[in-house]
Amino acid sequence: DAGVIQSPRHEVTEMGQEVTLRCKPISGHDYLFWYRQTMMRGLELLIYFNNNVPIDDSGMPEDRFSAKMPNASFSTLKIQPSEPRDSAVYFCASSLDSFRYGYTFGSGTRLTVV
Amino acid sequence: QKEVEQNSGPLSVPEGAIASLNCTYSDRGSQSFFWYRQYSGKSPELIMSIYSNGDKEDGRFTAQLNKASQYVSLLIRDSQPSDSATYLCAVGLVSGTSYGKLTFGQGTILTVHP
Repeated sequence: DAGVIQSPRHEVTEMGQEVTLRCKPISGHDYLFWYRQTMMRGLELLIYFNNNVPIDDSGMPEDRFSAKMPNASFSTLKIQPSEPRDSAVYFCASSLDSFRYGYTFGSGTRLTVV
Repeated sequence: QKEVEQNSGPLSVPEGAIASLNCTYSDRGSQSFFWYRQYSGKSPELIMSIYSNGDKEDGRFTAQLNKASQYVSLLIRDSQPSDSATYLCAVGLVSGTSYGKLTFGQGTILTVHP
């Protein structure tokens, strides 16, 4: 099993540009989560999906952020337009049943907006 | 009160000592508890899960759960410098939140010095 796969690993972009982060969950996992991690705020849940349907997007900071899961094997997190305060590490995680097995995290995307 | 709270760090212990990491949670109905380890620059990795009151041992790690006190801890025996990392407590809260997501504490940084 290849685990949760995220791309790109690093992204440097200029303020105002569109950024798209990608995630491939573990096959068979019904839940997919997008987190953001910073030193100041720790690990923050942005949005999560169950069976490709968004369940809770209350953590999405503002309308500049959007997430999609068009099928069971792919999800995107888009930021448009990006701002320097969006600089963080973005993690994708997947789970078969979070309460029984916890999550498996991807390697993360380190985003820097200059 | 935060939903999941960990003892403030950083925590520094000498090699060979017992490291004790603590976590409290707000929802008395919570049923699943996890400890994640995160090395600097890496993603969180699941190391322990516990669901019932008492102790659960796995090698040098022991998770302890006391639901009456809403308290979960992680003990690391014979601490090694390779245990130096941030440890995240995660709880499957069941009230006021959507099923399927874990709530993370802010993490405790552990340093094991030779």
